[in-house]
Amino acid sequence: NAGVTQTPKFQVLKTGQSMTLQCAQDMNHNSMYWYRQDPGMGLRLIYYSASEGTTDKGEVPNGYNVSRLNKREFSLRLESAAPSQTSVYFCASSEGAMNTEAFFGQGTRLTVV
Amino acid sequence: GEDVEQSLFLSVREGDSSVINCTYTDSSSTYLYWYKQEPGAGLQLLTYIFSNMDMKQDQRLTVLLNKKDKHLSLRIADTQTGDSAIYFCAEKEGGYQKVTFGTGTKLQVIP
Repeated sequence: NAGVTQTPKFQVLKTGQSMTLQCAQDMNHNSMYWYRQDPGMGLRLIYYSASEGTTDKGEVPNGYNVSRLNKREFSLRLESAAPSQTSVYFCASSEGAMNTEAFFGQGTRLTVV
Repeated sequence: GEDVEQSLFLSVREGDSSVINCTYTDSSSTYLYWYKQEPGAGLQLLTYIFSNMDMKQDQRLTVLLNKKDKHLSLRIADTQTGDSAIYFCAEKEGGYQKVTFGTGTKLQVIP
């Protein structure tokens, strides 16, 4: 089982460049999430999608956009990257509101110079 | 809003017990979780507890929940070097999709 797959694993961007982080899950989960992980701050929710066709802002949505392309895929876009967006990004999925577990991808380490 | 707090670092000797603590503010939390993150990897669920429980034991892991004080702890018995990782406490409100994570506690196991 692949679980949650994120691409790319590493990326270096120049300030102002754009890019899309891809995430796909093969567990038929309804909910998908994007988190960023920064030292001493744990994981902070950027956006989530409770079900196909819906997206909602999390704790730190500024500078990001998301697309729930279909049930499997949830992408995160940085339109104009800033050094403050240097972080490790994790995609996760879960079955639904009553689910007890979220499954995480391996992470994307993004550096903006 | 929700807030989940943990100490950043814990060091224990191999064979000792580790106790990782967490406090949360949301009284409507229905699920409380412990996740483990090994270096260079994503998070994996270790165990969880429903908010109507006080304790849950799973092999070497014991979770204690004090709802009155909004305090959650994870005890690892006979800690091994393979337990070295970052441990995240997390909580979910009933009916909502969002899971709020703590800052993570880095556990260092000294051989």
